[in-house]
Amino acid sequence: QVQLVQSGAEVKKPGASVKVSCKASGYTFTVYHIHWVRQAPGQGLEWMGWINPNSGGTNYAQNFQDRVTMTRDASISTAYMDLSSLTSDDTAVYYCARDTGEIVATTLFDSWGQGTLVTVSS
Amino acid sequence: SYELTQPPSVSVSPGQTASITCSGDKLGNKYACWYQQKPGHSPLLVMYQDNKRPSGIPERFSGSNSGNTATLTISGTQAMDEADYYCQAWDSSTVVFGGGTKLTVL
Repeated sequence: QVQLVQSGAEVKKPGASVKVSCKASGYTFTVYHIHWVRQAPGQGLEWMGWINPNSGGTNYAQNFQDRVTMTRDASISTAYMDLSSLTSDDTAVYYCARDTGEIVATTLFDSWGQGTLVTVSS
Repeated sequence: SYELTQPPSVSVSPGQTASITCSGDKLGNKYACWYQQKPGHSPLLVMYQDNKRPSGIPERFSGSNSGNTATLTISGTQAMDEADYYCQAWDSSTVVFGGGTKLTVL
């Protein structure tokens, strides 16, 4: 079955960067886009962007354009999300999610990782 | 930027019908989908393309989208349906989520 397993919780200081991984299994990694969504404590969902695991092409949300980098290593079916210049406002659970569309993104998410808590604190 | 607005909370008695709305400019011209999220869990897709249910989602979940409002309806609401619900749409190369609605079954 489709499974997305994310890396563990992180604690970072303001100004630092964090890199979260998302390892996919149960399907052909390069066929489906991977999205990243975050959720601050007690708050709603916020889309950060996507990566096309086949081409490496990306589409970032405007709010994160300057600070986020999404990459992938297709040889190990793993996607990465790197967020820089962290502030306390970046404290959140970060999710990866698989798009339902084959090759072309539908922006529907049918499988989600378990989430990675990133805490930014001095 | 595009915005989707949901009521913060909706309450319903067990067995009754719950309706959760999502408003956005000309939302009816786009596809809306809905996610359910229970505490401590990742979101789950419960409705897509306005009114289609993914495999495994009970028939009591239905959806509509017209004008400026999409609606998720849960008929015969059960205690297990208590959760946060988020609408989502796609606009100008951006995924947009509504703020979420906490459904309380009491």
